[in-house]
Amino acid sequence: DAMVIQNPRYQVTQFGKPVTLSCSQTLNHNVMYWYQQKSSQAPKLLFHYYDKDFNNEADTPDNFQSRRPNTSFCFLDIRSPGLGDAAMYLCATSRKGLDTQYFGPGTRLTVL
Amino acid sequence: AQSVTQLGSHVSVSEGALVLLRCNYSSSVPPYLFWYVQYPNQGLQLLLKYTTGATLVKGINGFEAEFKKSETSFHLTKPSAHMSDAAEYFCAVSDGNQFYFGTGTSLTVIP
Repeated sequence: DAMVIQNPRYQVTQFGKPVTLSCSQTLNHNVMYWYQQKSSQAPKLLFHYYDKDFNNEADTPDNFQSRRPNTSFCFLDIRSPGLGDAAMYLCATSRKGLDTQYFGPGTRLTVL
Repeated sequence: AQSVTQLGSHVSVSEGALVLLRCNYSSSVPPYLFWYVQYPNQGLQLLLKYTTGATLVKGINGFEAEFKKSETSFHLTKPSAHMSDAAEYFCAVSDGNQFYFGTGTSLTVIP
């Protein structure tokens, strides 16, 4: 089945220790998104790639970076995680910008 | 900017009762409308969507939603709640530039 895969499902890191979250897709979609979701809140868009074009949300902290080496993979790098970065991180894809977004299962990040 | 309002952050229904989750949006252009469901520690799963055509949209798990342009609403309904419907539900709108999520409604089903 075509799908969006996120690894790991659970990640524990220490305050200030860089961490990388991974997303891959077999849908061959053009657009990949990264969202941050805190408890009992809606997902908050961090940035997205339309093919190789990177689009950063204005209020996304510089601490968050992303890479998309090819169509299938996208990475979220948190350079120096703070306690406030503990959240669920969701990856999503869509065929084009307007289209339905398909979500991965998420990675729950804990910062100690 | 567009906005999505979900009335009621928590809704409780008895098993077998009607489920009604409300969503209103503001959009100056014809929107695409979506409902997603999220189970604990999981991603969002698409329940249904409206793009064009028939305003009553049927989705998975017995859910449906009706697009009412005059009321700028896209309420989600299910005739008979099941215990497995307990989850967080998000309404979302796309105006052609961006996706906007509502703040979510947590559905509790009482046995």
